[in-house]
Amino acid sequence: LAKTTQPISMDSYEGQEVNITCSHNNIATNDYITWYQQFPSQGPRFIIQGYKTKVTNEVASLFIPADRKSSTLSLPRVSLSDTAVYYCLVGGNSGGYQKVTFGTGTKLQVIP
Amino acid sequence: DAEITQSPRHKITETGRQVTLACHQTWNHNNMFWYRQDLGHGLRLIHYSYGVQDTNKGEVSDGYSVSRSNTEDLPLTLESAASSQTSVYFCASSESLAGEKLFFGSGTQLSVL
Repeated sequence: LAKTTQPISMDSYEGQEVNITCSHNNIATNDYITWYQQFPSQGPRFIIQGYKTKVTNEVASLFIPADRKSSTLSLPRVSLSDTAVYYCLVGGNSGGYQKVTFGTGTKLQVIP
Repeated sequence: DAEITQSPRHKITETGRQVTLACHQTWNHNNMFWYRQDLGHGLRLIHYSYGVQDTNKGEVSDGYSVSRSNTEDLPLTLESAASSQTSVYFCASSESLAGEKLFFGSGTQLSVL
């Protein structure tokens, strides 16, 4: 299983850009990298997914270096409503979801 | 709109009782999953199903069972509830196996006393 390592927590002021980095040294060739966001008392919600280089959507950007051993989720100009736990996942394409593991995530606290 | 719903949202039960948590999705997804979430462990996969009549054990399946008689539902049963099974349970579904995104329900908070 491709294990991921993320910072346990981060603080940021409103309006700043936040970058959360995830390490996944043993990522498999066919694995995708997916990020989820979870608010208290809710299930995780898909944010963004990528395989290599850079992916951008209306919510975030995902930067993946050539060796794919890490990835960085970038949230532009965060607001208080971005306070949540962010999970980095690796897998899904190498034999199905039984090989996708959620780590403990990064708890982002946005400060006014 | 399509959705995935779990019931009940909260459940209190006693040790040794059988408990069933419901999960219903209207996405028409073949793949459905049950996770539990505990402090310090993130989400851990309990059971999953890739279609009707298909069920598979996940990372922490002991003491749990599932059945898949139709596309929409994947009920999770705790055969004999234990205090160690006090947790928040999430059901999820996805369209394909190829790294497609998971859609999660809002969770069931289960307390076993």
